[in-house]
Amino acid sequence: QSALTQPASVSGSPGQSITISCTGTSSDVGGYEYVSWYRQYPGKAPQLLIYDVSKRPSGVSNRFSGSKSGNTASLTISGLQAEDEADYHCTSYTTRTTLIFGGGTKLTVL
Amino acid sequence: QVHLQQWGAGLLKPSETLSLTCAVYGSSLTDSNWNWIRQPPGKGLERIGEITHRGVTNSNPSLKSRVSISEDMSKNQFSLRLNSVTAADTAIYYCARMNLARLAFDVWGQGTLVTVSS
Repeated sequence: QSALTQPASVSGSPGQSITISCTGTSSDVGGYEYVSWYRQYPGKAPQLLIYDVSKRPSGVSNRFSGSKSGNTASLTISGLQAEDEADYHCTSYTTRTTLIFGGGTKLTVL
Repeated sequence: QVHLQQWGAGLLKPSETLSLTCAVYGSSLTDSNWNWIRQPPGKGLERIGEITHRGVTNSNPSLKSRVSISEDMSKNQFSLRLNSVTAADTAIYYCARMNLARLAFDVWGQGTLVTVSS
């Protein structure tokens, strides 16, 4: 099972908006509304940011938003802050009744 | 509030068996699916396998022949065993809850670095 495709890195300046893509196939991202996103600080466990493509758990800032078009899901971070510098990972449910991860994206705040 | 606490040996020699345990606090093993996920140094996350709320185990096909996941209901713990480890198995290993309503990993253990070296 191939991993979902994410850009290795993205960057942005404070206050800007950035978008991270997560591309799969019709057997995963395109076929289900079960895409989730995670933030991971160095040396820490991942933390859930988005589930069901666009829903935020309680306590997650509304600067984080998710969307999907076809086989590609996206995470947008608006009003970029220094604390947003981290790795971001996506997952999707698949036809094999499991979850697969993307390769991860390193966000640098310039 | 749900909390996961994991432990296990951090240094193994090639061909040995990796063994990790994850204790679940604030929830029952019958409430969710319980996963093991790993992250090689500098790389992305890889799902190893899970034990479901019904006690059924599922594993990543690439690791299936070497993976065993079990649970101890009396202690509210679940465990991972990975046989015949090699240097390629060096990674941080996490236990995590898969929320069945959200199909997302919403609670994670603190992670255990496992190094395989002769």
